[in-house]
Amino acid sequence: TQLLEQSPQFLSIQEGENLTVYCNSSSVFSSLQWYRQEPGEGPVLLVTVVTGGEVKKLKRLTFQFGDARKDSSLHITAAQPGDTGLYLCAGAGDSGYALNFGKGTSLLVTP
Amino acid sequence: NAGVTQTPKFQVLKTGQSMTLQCAQDMNHEYMSWYRQDPGMGLRLIHYSVGAGITDQGEVPNGYNVSRSTTEDFPLRLLSAAPSQTSVYFCASSYTAFDGRNTEAFFGQGTRLTVV
Repeated sequence: TQLLEQSPQFLSIQEGENLTVYCNSSSVFSSLQWYRQEPGEGPVLLVTVVTGGEVKKLKRLTFQFGDARKDSSLHITAAQPGDTGLYLCAGAGDSGYALNFGKGTSLLVTP
Repeated sequence: NAGVTQTPKFQVLKTGQSMTLQCAQDMNHEYMSWYRQDPGMGLRLIHYSVGAGITDQGEVPNGYNVSRSTTEDFPLRLLSAAPSQTSVYFCASSYTAFDGRNTEAFFGQGTRLTVV
């Protein structure tokens, strides 16, 4: 099983601050995904990164895929309370037919 | 748009009881999977299917059975519930495999199971 390590596990910040969440592995992934999960709901896809070195932006969220395709990061600029949630990185599992998930980063943004 | 529908949303079982968690999708997706989510553990893969009649084990398959008789449905059966199976269970589906493709997994809202 290809392991994905996420850090930090918990993050509590005030509105307006910037933050970065990391997803690291010793294995090479053909692609990595970031999902966001709100309490009582299933995860929802934010982005897929496929090419090493790729950078994708989604409003205030910036996603980067490492050159070696072993790691990814999520940077949030000027966090808002609506960004509160669990952020999960995921990569194709050994078979490619399902996903392996990191343990998640729980983000709390207070006004 | 229904997407992925899981039933029930909540369930309490006694140790040793059996039950089936239902999962249905209306997007004509071939790939479906079951995950369990425990605090601090992320989502762990239980079983997955690549089409009707084809299933395989994931990371934590013990104590669970699955079958895929139709494209739409992928039920998860607990044979003899144990307290260690207390968790939140998520079903997901996708149109294609994930390896190197820009594929989205669609998740249900989850079933919160407590085994006492």
